[in-house]
Amino acid sequence: GPKVLQIPSHQIIDMGQMVTLNCDPVSNHLYFYWYKQILGQQMEFLVNFYNGKVMEKSKLFKDQFSVERPDGSYFTLKIQPTALEDSAVYFCASSLDFYAEQFFGPGTRLTVL
Amino acid sequence: GDQVEQSPSALSLHEGTGSALRCNFTTTMRAVQWFQQNSRGSLINLFYLASGTKENGRLKSTFNSKESYSTLHIRDAQLEDSGTYFCAAPNTEGADRLTFGKGTQLIIQP
Repeated sequence: GPKVLQIPSHQIIDMGQMVTLNCDPVSNHLYFYWYKQILGQQMEFLVNFYNGKVMEKSKLFKDQFSVERPDGSYFTLKIQPTALEDSAVYFCASSLDFYAEQFFGPGTRLTVL
Repeated sequence: GDQVEQSPSALSLHEGTGSALRCNFTTTMRAVQWFQQNSRGSLINLFYLASGTKENGRLKSTFNSKESYSTLHIRDAQLEDSGTYFCAAPNTEGADRLTFGKGTQLIIQP
């Protein structure tokens, strides 16, 4: 099936540092998403993104978070500064259309020390 | 409360047997997705249904939007079927986001 790639697979950083998580969505997809999963628990929606803009964000999407996809390159999630509670696995997803099937990447495991 | 309720939370099957996982929705959902999260943590798309039934190999899923539930049937379970199974749905309140259930942890024993 369609593949979403995420780089890196693991990231360990010190609290207060900045981190950028990269997502390479399915090539013809137009809608992009970030989700957060803590310790194999429930997946929680963070944000969705279309046509260069955030359409919707959840309360988990703190002010320290930002997303962008400059010039059709990686879709990125930036956290600046990081906090201990940001430790989680972050999944990127993409879909062809609004409300269409979403395809997920393998996740980036972020550890904030 | 939770909009997506999964049951059971955990299930153990012997190889070759089968069972059903269930997802109940407390609000109207326009579609459902089922995923398997494997031991490496990757989410594998199993099904996307807006209605009716789909089958893929040893897996079959049904979505009844009117009665607000979906099921995932596994038959002839194999060791590689072990993992956590999640259902997720976009609701009808205008938001393009998936709301996930808490998952069913499935263990297949030899």
